[in-house]
Amino acid sequence: EPEVTQTPSHQVTQMGQEVILRCVPISNHLYFYWYRQILGQKVEFLVSFYNNEISEKSEIFDDQFSVERPDGSNFTLKIRSTKLEDSAMYFCASSEGSDEQFFGPGTRLTVL
Amino acid sequence: GESVGLHLPTLSVQEGDNSIINCAYSNSASDYFIWYKQESGKGPQFIIDIRSNMDKRQGQRVTVLLNKTVKHLSLQIAATQPGDSAVYFCAENPVSGGYNKLIFGAGTRLAVHP
Repeated sequence: EPEVTQTPSHQVTQMGQEVILRCVPISNHLYFYWYRQILGQKVEFLVSFYNNEISEKSEIFDDQFSVERPDGSNFTLKIRSTKLEDSAMYFCASSEGSDEQFFGPGTRLTVL
Repeated sequence: GESVGLHLPTLSVQEGDNSIINCAYSNSASDYFIWYKQESGKGPQFIIDIRSNMDKRQGQRVTVLLNKTVKHLSLQIAATQPGDSAVYFCAENPVSGGYNKLIFGAGTRLAVHP
């Protein structure tokens, strides 16, 4: 069964450093998303991406965040200058249309 | 404002019993609702969904009920098994917020005891 994959599974970084979280969505899907989940809290929407552009973003997704689909398979989330409060699980998701979103296993980001 | 929340943070059931997990939503314009299961250390896993033109949908051992009048969503799990132990999230796709943006509730932890 096709699945969303994410790398790395755990990323540790120093405050102020840039990180890139990588995702490979399901191959025939057209919509891509990033969500985050701070430990013990609910999953929060960050951004949705369709047709090579951002279709919607939340208040969390400020100028420090960017997304890119550099090739036909990868979807990345970049945090330019990480803050302590960016520590969270980051989930990538994809969907074929405006329905079921399939989530990846997540990347645990720890900012020290 | 829009929000999705859960009544019970933790639900403990005996193996074999039926489980009911509840969720309230506030955006009456939402037209699509999903239940996700999240096991420790994993991403949310799709369980079942329902559109606003329906009030009930059944899957394998799971049923989702939607009551638009009181803006309430529930997930029923029949014959609960130890493997059902996880955190369950309801999520809505608010039409007014743009397509494909999921708003998640706080989550309910389901603990199944043998």
